[in-house]
Amino acid sequence: ILNVEQSPQSLHVQEGDSTNFTCSFPSSNFYALHWYRWETAKSPEALFVMTLNGDEKKKGRISATLNTKEGYSYLYIKGSQPEDSATYLCAPSPWSNYQLIWGAGTKLIIKP
Amino acid sequence: NAGVTQTPKFQVLKTGQSMTLQCAQDMNHNSMYWYRQDPGMGLRLIYYSASEGTTDKGEVPNGYNVSRLNKREFSLRLESAAPSQTSVYFCASSDTYGYTFGSGTRLTVV
Repeated sequence: ILNVEQSPQSLHVQEGDSTNFTCSFPSSNFYALHWYRWETAKSPEALFVMTLNGDEKKKGRISATLNTKEGYSYLYIKGSQPEDSATYLCAPSPWSNYQLIWGAGTKLIIKP
Repeated sequence: NAGVTQTPKFQVLKTGQSMTLQCAQDMNHNSMYWYRQDPGMGLRLIYYSASEGTTDKGEVPNGYNVSRLNKREFSLRLESAAPSQTSVYFCASSDTYGYTFGSGTRLTVV
């Protein structure tokens, strides 16, 4: 069973500032790493899927990197906007069954 | 619109009552899941179905049963609801590219 840690648990960021947070997971038996964005009162929405060491993905002001050798992924948000306020979940999946193992999330609050 | 449809959106039950949460997906996904989400706990897997005809327990299966009726539908049943089952329930389906979630059911057991 993968143990997934996300840090920090919560983060307050001033509008316009850039920020980043971390997802750590065991590097053995790794297949893919997913990032999801979860707004309050909505359901999680997929952001990125990464599989290869060194992968970088970008969607608008949000980007993510993956290091499978050391077992971590970073999510970056450039020039934070109020609509970025959400909980960001990372979820690695192992080779054994491809099911996602969910982290507890980083709750991001953008202050206007 | 393609996606995962989950019903009902809200439900209040008395302790001991039973109910079934319905979930259907039209994306031809093999795998389907039921999660619960509690404050500060993240998503916890209740049951999953890797394919039609199979179901397996997840992290927190006690007090629940599931049925994979066909490839599209995966229902979650509470036989005798307890206050500890007050939660938000999410159904999801997946392929190799990721998960698609339903809009959630907010269940309160009083």
